[in-house]
Amino acid sequence: QSVLTQPPSVSGAPGQRVTLSCTGSSSNIGAGYDVHWYQQVPGTAPKLLIYGNTNRPSGVPDRFSGSKSGTSASLAITGLQAEDEADYYCHSYDHSLEGYVFGSGTKLSVL
Amino acid sequence: QVTLKESGPVLVKPTETLTLTCTVSGFSLSEPRVGVSWIRQPPGKALEWLGHIFSDDDKSYNTSLKSRLTISKDTSKSQVVLTMTNMDPVDTATYFCSRMSYRGTYLFDYWGQGTLVTVSS
Repeated sequence: QSVLTQPPSVSGAPGQRVTLSCTGSSSNIGAGYDVHWYQQVPGTAPKLLIYGNTNRPSGVPDRFSGSKSGTSASLAITGLQAEDEADYYCHSYDHSLEGYVFGSGTKLSVL
Repeated sequence: QVTLKESGPVLVKPTETLTLTCTVSGFSLSEPRVGVSWIRQPPGKALEWLGHIFSDDDKSYNTSLKSRLTISKDTSKSQVVLTMTNMDPVDTATYFCSRMSYRGTYLFDYWGQGTLVTVSS
């Protein structure tokens, strides 16, 4: 049971905009800890996509954006492309658990 | 160029101890505000943070697994070692090591390719 809750699946057509949510609690996201997002193509290692809630590492297209409010965070992908089909995980810190926590993951399908 | 690579057994028996090594390059394990974490992923399931070690030898472990885990490092060899005792079939997973770096908060910016460990008799 993951501490951060994500919808199991999201889908969209090429060119569309989708939003992936990550819901936490007052001991992690709600406590002010940053949220990071990772993209994982099946069979490969996760790749850092968004850090510090809203920042993109160099090389990540500006089609990807992050936001955070209260006990939740969101990842938005605009201009959906076939190559965006992957699993997406959010990550934060939990002070009650005294450790790092990941979301349950969302599988993005591009129709 | 930062790289990490996991190595170790692909198959362990129940009750045995797992030892995995993460060999890093492109950065030093003595760098301040840089650490290495171990993260695992059971087949078809989510990522789970296991623990980390920093350059000053500060360590932290997932509280649910703390009694079974030990992380150590050999800076001269650029290696971080994970040991997990009393392995069980539920510990079957791909084990990743990842560099932790600080950008206002710690995040996992580089990952190894992962190594699949199967626990079976």
